[in-house]
Amino acid sequence: QVQVVESGGGLVEAGGSLRLSCIGSGFSLSDYYMSWIRQAPGKGLEWISYISSRGSTKNYADSLKGRATISRDNAQQSVFLQLNSLRVEDTAVYYCATSYYDSGGPRAFDFWGQGTVVTVSS
Amino acid sequence: SYVLTQEPSVSVAPGQTARITCGGDKIGSKSVHWYQKHPGQAPVLVVFDDSDRPSGIPDRFSGSNSGNTATLTISRVEVGDEADYYCHVWHRSGDLLGVFGGGTKLTVL
Repeated sequence: QVQVVESGGGLVEAGGSLRLSCIGSGFSLSDYYMSWIRQAPGKGLEWISYISSRGSTKNYADSLKGRATISRDNAQQSVFLQLNSLRVEDTAVYYCATSYYDSGGPRAFDFWGQGTVVTVSS
Repeated sequence: SYVLTQEPSVSVAPGQTARITCGGDKIGSKSVHWYQKHPGQAPVLVVFDDSDRPSGIPDRFSGSNSGNTATLTISRVEVGDEADYYCHVWHRSGDLLGVFGGGTKLTVL
């Protein structure tokens, strides 16, 4: 069955870096746009980045622009999120999610992973 | 930036109908997607493209979208429906960006 599994979270000091990974199984990753979404403690969902099916288009939320880089390796069924210059307010559960797409771009987030926890200490 | 506004909380008795709204400027011109999130679990897509249901989602979940308001309707509410619900759209302002509403906590009394 379709499965998405995130990894790479952990405890990091402010100013540090982390590389999050997301591996998909049960489907062909190359058929989907992929996004990262996060949820800070006690807060709502926040979309932070997406990458098109072949990696040619990437966009970022303003909150992480310049500090995050999304990439993918379809052969390895993997998506990555490099986070730099981390701040305390980046503490959150980070989810990876698939989106089917059409000529207008990505659509709904149809499959989600269980998330990986990032904690940034001061 | 594009803002989606949801009421923070909605309460309903079991068996009744819950309506959760998502307000945004001309949201009726966009496709709205809805997610259910239980604490400690991954979000689940319950309605996509305003009113379609993914496979496995009961027909008690339905959606509509017009003007400046999209609505998620949950009929015959069950205790297990108690969760946070989020609306989501894609908004193009130069770049294409994802936008979530602030979320609505559905309490089943």
